Amino acid sequence: KNQVEQSPQSLIILEGKNCTLQCNYTVSPFSNLRWYKQDTGRGPVSLTIMTFSENTKSNGRYTATLDADTKQSSLHITASQLSDSASYICVVGFTGGGNKLTFGTGTQLKVEL
Amino acid sequence: GAVVSQHPSWVICKSGTSVKIECRSLDFQATTMFWYRQFPKQSLMLMATSNEGSKATYEQGVEKDKFLINHASLTLSTLTVTSAHPEDSSFYICSARRLAGTGELFFGEGSRLTVL
Repeated sequence: KNQVEQSPQSLIILEGKNCTLQCNYTVSPFSNLRWYKQDTGRGPVSLTIMTFSENTKSNGRYTATLDADTKQSSLHITASQLSDSASYICVVGFTGGGNKLTFGTGTQLKVEL
Repeated sequence: GAVVSQHPSWVICKSGTSVKIECRSLDFQATTMFWYRQFPKQSLMLMATSNEGSKATYEQGVEKDKFLINHASLTLSTLTVTSAHPEDSSFYICSARRLAGTGELFFGEGSRLTVL
């Protein structure tokens, strides 16, 4: 069964600090891995998309890594800001599924002063 | 970036009525659109895949007669919740896959449905 597990479930950090969110998946055959940011009551916004051959991708203060061998990904946020408070969702796509995606349950990040 | 618009952003209706939610890709063509529902503090759950000009493909457990999906053009898909009940109250989100390029998915802002 295709699954995407994220940790931690929730996280509170101080403004300016860095943090790393984890994503482990069992999706097969793997196609791509995406990280989305979802503000409360809003739709998800894409941060990064990585395919099998990519092991790191950055988008501003967000850096995602992918280890396709161990089926793990991480999202590192540098110099956090209050506006980074949101849910971060790891989404894994698999081939042969007609664009099927498996969603993680997300990590709820709160950045405080 | 590409924009996907949902309307209405929130709606309150009485039990037994039907509610239509629109999903539009504003600046690109999308052959495929997806509909999700999301309960509080839970992840998005795919309800159905909507292909332009053909019948939607529903996920297991989703009632196709209750959640009517129409994808009449390359920029518009609609979800109609028929005979809504309080348990249908949820956050409904659509996404659209760009026809050209990498086929990246873009999500709408979501529609909050509350059934009284």
